[in-house]
Amino acid sequence: EDQVTQSPEALRLQEGESSSLNCSYTVSGLRGLFWYRQDPGKGPEFLFTLYSAGEEKEKERLKATLTKKESFLHITAPKPEDSATYLCAVQHTGANNLFFGTGTRLTVIP
Amino acid sequence: EAGVAQSPRYKIIEKRQSVAFWCNPISGHATLYWYQQILGQGPKLLIQFQNNGVVDDSQLPKDRFSAERLKGVDSTLKIQPAKLEDSAVYLCASSLDGFRHYFGPGTRLTVT
Repeated sequence: EDQVTQSPEALRLQEGESSSLNCSYTVSGLRGLFWYRQDPGKGPEFLFTLYSAGEEKEKERLKATLTKKESFLHITAPKPEDSATYLCAVQHTGANNLFFGTGTRLTVIP
Repeated sequence: EAGVAQSPRYKIIEKRQSVAFWCNPISGHATLYWYQQILGQGPKLLIQFQNNGVVDDSQLPKDRFSAERLKGVDSTLKIQPAKLEDSAVYLCASSLDGFRHYFGPGTRLTVT
């Protein structure tokens, strides 16, 4: 059975203070690992898809990496507008749906 | 490109009442999903359609929940009768390739 565990549950950072969010996963054949951002009262917004161990993707202040057991979302010099809940999800081979973790709620303080 | 549309955005009902949610996916997207997101949790799949056929409804509580996708485009999700534990955000998503999901804004349901 697929499992996705995200840590920490909540993270408070000062503006400019870099950090990382963790997503540990267990899946029977990984088709893709997804990172989404969710703002209050909105649906999840796509950030990245990672397909295989060793892969990295970047977008502005965010960088996602993938190993065989976990993924990290690195946030470099965050700004208050990066405050949101970050969701990790996996899709196993043969499936078209996503299995989500519970998310990390990030707050960036000016 | 227009996004996934959902209505209503908010709904408050009493337990044992019925409620329906509507979703219009991105044009051309064959796959449509309904997810339930309880406060503080990640979205959980309820049902997945490919065109107008059901692909996966294994997590749908079929004694009270039903869903249909009309002509392979719009979809409605119904709950009858509602329970307190159905209070959640109901997210509709669509996908062109069954891979990347595009989510709508969700419908927040409160059951009192």
